Amino acid sequence: KQEVTQIPAALSVPEGENLVLNCSFTDSAIYNLQWFRQDPGKGLTSLLLIQSSQREQTSGRLNASLDKSSGRSTLYIAASQPGDSATYLCAVTTLGGAGGTSYGKLTFGQGTILTVHP
Amino acid sequence: ETGVTQSPTHLIKTRGQQVTLRCSSQSGHNTVSWYQQALGQGPQFIFQYYREEENGRGNFPPRFSGLQFPNYSSELNVNALELDDSALYLCASSPGGYGNQPQHFGDGTRLSIL
Repeated sequence: KQEVTQIPAALSVPEGENLVLNCSFTDSAIYNLQWFRQDPGKGLTSLLLIQSSQREQTSGRLNASLDKSSGRSTLYIAASQPGDSATYLCAVTTLGGAGGTSYGKLTFGQGTILTVHP
Repeated sequence: ETGVTQSPTHLIKTRGQQVTLRCSSQSGHNTVSWYQQALGQGPQFIFQYYREEENGRGNFPPRFSGLQFPNYSSELNVNALELDDSALYLCASSPGGYGNQPQHFGDGTRLSIL
């Protein structure tokens, strides 16, 4: 059974700091890994998706790395801003199903609550 | 391009009642997945529909059921509601049921059980 763990559970930093969020997963047989952002009471916004054959992805101030063999990913946020305050969720896609059917499902960590104060 | 939309946004029910939540998938997406997110937790996979058939299910009891329509929109039905069913229910759509395509999420339906 795939399990995803995120560390730390919460993080509070001053504006301008560079920070790292960590994600680990127990089963390396993944198709991809996604990092999501969730604002309070809202749905999920996909930030970065790394396919299993890739090592990293970058978007603006965000950089995510993937080490599939060790079951780890990190999300690096450069020059943090108050607008970055949110919950960050890591999720891996694994293949499920049997008997001729297959489907991809996401398994999520519990998230890291990030607060960036001015 | 219209994204994933869910309705209603909020719902209050009492124990034992039944509820139906709705989801319109993003244009061009034929796969819809439903997730339950309890307060302070990550989302948990309920089930997935691909071309109107359920093709995968998580660890949820049979009172959680669903439908997908020819236009790929979907419903989540929950019977005999329990207090623990209080959660944010998220719908996600993707192009294709195999799983290596990114899933795009709606804003969810907040269900409260009294």
